[in-house]
Amino acid sequence: EAGVVQSPRYKIIEKKQPVAFWCNPISGHNTLYWYLQNLGQGPELLIRYENEEAVDDSQLPKDRFSAERLKGVDSTLKIQPAELGDSAVYLCASRKNVNTGELFFGEGSRLTVL
Amino acid sequence: DAKTTQPPSMDCAEGRAANLPCNHSTISGNEYVYWYRQIHSQGPQYIIHGLKNNETNEMASLIITEDRKSSTLILPHATLRDTAVYYCIVFSSNTGKLIFGQGTTLQVKP
Repeated sequence: EAGVVQSPRYKIIEKKQPVAFWCNPISGHNTLYWYLQNLGQGPELLIRYENEEAVDDSQLPKDRFSAERLKGVDSTLKIQPAELGDSAVYLCASRKNVNTGELFFGEGSRLTVL
Repeated sequence: DAKTTQPPSMDCAEGRAANLPCNHSTISGNEYVYWYRQIHSQGPQYIIHGLKNNETNEMASLIITEDRKSSTLILPHATLRDTAVYYCIVFSSNTGKLIFGQGTTLQVKP
């Protein structure tokens, strides 16, 4: 069974440029999470989807961040425009059903903003 | 959401048991204790979870105190590959949120 797939693995951009990250969860997993992880810190939740509905986006900075999960499968997280402070690892995770806290994480997308 | 408190770092000798403590004094009756670990440059990995009873799987054992205010993750025979950050998390299926703290950095030494 394939795990959670994220791309790109690494991205370097200049500040004010846009960037997008893609995530394909494990097949059959209805819940999808996006987390942000700064160096030396634990992951912080950005947004959670149940199927195609964003059920928790309270931590998503909506002025520059957006996310979508069309058709309830794969998802895209976008930043426009990127700022220096956005340099971090963006992690995607999925889980099979709402009753479990067992999440499966991808390897993450490391963003460097210059 | 209940918060957890973990020591920032611990050392363990290779081959010995690693005991990682976690305090979760505000845990509610329907909240579970979950443990994850994160090896450098990888995403977090689920280890084990429990509600009231002690649990064991192929990776680790989880001991939860009777009052549920604290727990201990036990890696019975730590190897160098167990060097990682270990996160103790309180999870509620009502909220669906998995909130990570700072975790404990475990260094397994030869």
